[in-house]
Amino acid sequence: EAGVTQSPTHLIKTRGQQVTLRCSPISGHTSVYWYQQALGLGLQFLLWYDEGEERNRGNFPPRFSGRQFPNYSSELNVNALELEDSALYLCASSFPGAIYNSPLHFGNGTRLTVT
Amino acid sequence: AQSVTQPDIHITVSEGASLELRCNYSYGATPYLFWYVQSPGQGLQLLLKYFSGDTLVQGIKGFEAEFKRSQSSFNLRKPSVHWSDAAEYFCAVARGDQGGKLIFGQGTELSVKP
Repeated sequence: EAGVTQSPTHLIKTRGQQVTLRCSPISGHTSVYWYQQALGLGLQFLLWYDEGEERNRGNFPPRFSGRQFPNYSSELNVNALELEDSALYLCASSFPGAIYNSPLHFGNGTRLTVT
Repeated sequence: AQSVTQPDIHITVSEGASLELRCNYSYGATPYLFWYVQSPGQGLQLLLKYFSGDTLVQGIKGFEAEFKRSQSSFNLRKPSVHWSDAAEYFCAVARGDQGGKLIFGQGTELSVKP
């Protein structure tokens, strides 16, 4: 079974630019989650998508946005990049329903560096 | 608000020695608790989870964890550590009504001495 795949693995952007990160969930998983792992801040919940709809959002500004496609893959968009957006962005997926029925499976992440 | 505290930022143990990683949580109701492991350059792998029932839960790679409601703790243990266990370990808590929104602790980095 293929795991959660994320692309690209690394990228470097300049402050003020925009970036799009991509995630393909495990086959059969309809929920996709995005987390940010920034140095010194730990892992923080960003977004949760299920069946194409945004279900929950963490405490991040509106320039962080995303969407989920009919095939359940997802994109995370970050506009007007700031230096503190430099982080590892992790995508996770699960079957639908409550987390106690379907724990999250994580991808290896996209390392974003903003200069 | 929910929170998770992992008091130990870094722990070093000798190969073959026992291991206990501490995790304390703050949550008003019965939480859903998880331990994940992250190897360098990798994503997170689920070690074990607790939702209800038996307070001692078994996970993969020989790990176990014990839920103690009175102490608001969910400590991770392993009787004999292998060099390949060197990684960062994260404790996390979730509410049942917020889907996959996990609140993570700051992590404990484990080093294993030969």
